[in-house]
Parts: sequence; C-alpha cells; structure tokens
Amino acid sequence: RKEVEQDPGPFNVPEGATVAFNCTYSNSASQSFFWYRQDCRKEPKLLMSVYSSGNEDGRFTAQLNRASQYISLLIRDSKLSDSATYLCVVNDSSASKIIFGSGTRLSIRP
Amino acid sequence: EAQVTQNPRYLITVTGKKLTVTCSQNMNHEYMSWYRQDPGLGLRQIYYSMNVEVTDKGDVPEGYKVSRKEKRNFPLILESPSPNQTSLYFCASSSRTGTGPYEQYFGPGTRLTVT
Repeated sequence: RKEVEQDPGPFNVPEGATVAFNCTYSNSASQSFFWYRQDCRKEPKLLMSVYSSGNEDGRFTAQLNRASQYISLLIRDSKLSDSATYLCVVNDSSASKIIFGSGTRLSIRP
Repeated sequence: EAQVTQNPRYLITVTGKKLTVTCSQNMNHEYMSWYRQDPGLGLRQIYYSMNVEVTDKGDVPEGYKVSRKEKRNFPLILESPSPNQTSLYFCASSSRTGTGPYEQYFGPGTRLTVT
C-alpha cells in the first residue's frame, strides 16, 4: 500500500463547477499536511497547508480527518486557470521525511 | 528575489559518465531535499538535509550521493548514471524555524536523460 494515495483522475469539469479531491495516508503519526499545485512541466508550488480545524483560502477549502487518515481539497466556482495537477503532501512525525501523493489531474473546460 | 536555482536545466548523458546537478537557495533555509518525478509515481524523495553536514536517505537513494558543505548548496551527484535514472529532478528548500508547518520552495527542475 502506498504511504500517500490519491485518485489520479483526470477530473474534467466545466468552469464554475465544484470539485473535490481526497487523499489518504497510512502513517498515523504524520504531523503536517499540504496541498501543492503543479502545472505541466513546472515545479510544484504550495497551494495551502491543511490544519486540524480545516481551513479556507478564497475558493479553496482543505480539511483533515485524522481518525480516518485522509485530507481533502474542495475547489468552488472553478476557473480555467485551476487546471493543473494537485499533489497531496504529508510530513512524518519528525517533519524530515516528506511523502508526495502521485497527484490528481484536474482539467477545467469552458 | 527568494529562489531555488538548479543547473543544468536539461542534460543528456551516457551511461557511466559521472555528473553533478547543482542546487542553491538564497533564503537561508536549513532544510534541503532532492526529488525525482516519474510518470505515475509522483515525486519521490532521494535525499534530504536538515542542516550543514547533516544528510539522510529518502525513499530512493540508490545510485545517488549528496553533500551539504554550505547552507545554501546541496548538489546531487550521480557517480555512474544508468538509464533508469532518466527522470525529472527537483531540488527544494524549507525553513525549519518555528513550529511549522514548513512550506517547501522548489527549483525549476532538471530533466535528465541517460542513454
């Protein structure tokens, strides 16, 4: 079983739709959680950190469920510019080892 | 401008010819890391460094070496490259001050082809 698992997609949704991704992790001692965005052939960039209480940044909402060991990302009112691959990232308890999910591809159509 | 730089950006080489990919950051970050990205496998951590002279293996260290003699630089060395090391490589750095979480900043990537 992979340490961090994501649905690879692709998700193909119309502009304005709401889309949600989930990511599960296997190490219950994991401490920090993130969503990164990666555009084609570019470097990953931080989208948002994920806090235990859940957090929102504009159209993006991230949630953490420690009991079930998953994190989620919700994108509301999707834009064409949201088309990218979304990477789930988990830090181990020492925050030294970092595990990436293989990414979920999102394509927004006009 | 705060950034992570990598060189070269593209490299085609032959099996067995030693090469070094440089990585440098100007943010005074303690933590640096190397990843490789392959289709369907995502980013996998090769080596990381918590500070100067402190390095440790990630998930896929075989065939790679690193060193951390200065805080800003973290080169990746392939002593004898093989075709299965053909990949897209990213260097990243992160501050380790405070309680976190610690955002990683990535370099632009190095596309390596070993024939």
